[in-house]
Amino acid sequence: RKEVEQDPGPFNVPEGATVAFNCTYSNSASQSFFWYRQDCRKEPKLLMSVYSSGNEDGRFTAQLNRASQYISLLIRDSKLSDSATYLCVVNDRATTSYDKVIFGPGTSLSVIP
Amino acid sequence: DAGVIQSPRHEVTEMGQEVTLRCKPISGHNSLFWYRQTMMRGLELLIYFNNNVPIDDSGMPEDRFSAKMPNASFSTLKIQPSEPRDSAVYFCASSLDREDSPLHFGNGTRLTVT
Repeated sequence: RKEVEQDPGPFNVPEGATVAFNCTYSNSASQSFFWYRQDCRKEPKLLMSVYSSGNEDGRFTAQLNRASQYISLLIRDSKLSDSATYLCVVNDRATTSYDKVIFGPGTSLSVIP
Repeated sequence: DAGVIQSPRHEVTEMGQEVTLRCKPISGHNSLFWYRQTMMRGLELLIYFNNNVPIDDSGMPEDRFSAKMPNASFSTLKIQPSEPRDSAVYFCASSLDREDSPLHFGNGTRLTVT
């Protein structure tokens, strides 16, 4: 089983739609989680950290389910500018004593006019 | 506030040549990461430095790859000799030495080996 898994998509949604991505991780002791977005031919950029109680930033909501070992990202009222690849990231530092930052393969989103 | 700076942005070289990629992390960040990204394999961690010391180099493909961090503000990734299969985008990223500290990426170096 891969350490971090994501549905690669692509997800093609109309403007204004709500879309959700899931990500599963294999190490139950993992403590830190992030969502990054990556535009075509650009570097990954931090979208948001994921906190145990769940957190929201505008149209974006991240949730963590430790029991099932998955994190999710919900995008409401999607915009054309949300089209990108969304990367799930897990830091396994708690179990390795150093930063072991693992990126998922990414989920591709296309928002269609 | 300057982010992570990588150079060159693009590198085209012939098979067998030596390639050196450079990275300047964000000032104050003491963790530095080199990643390689291809369509087929996604983002792969090559090596991770903490306080200038290589901590995890298990992702370095083979002896042709080497990385150094002589001081807190500079790191290099060298490929010698280069091969066409090394063609990829190479990213450098830095972070604070805290588990909850996210990585900040440079713009990347797009390497083409012909």
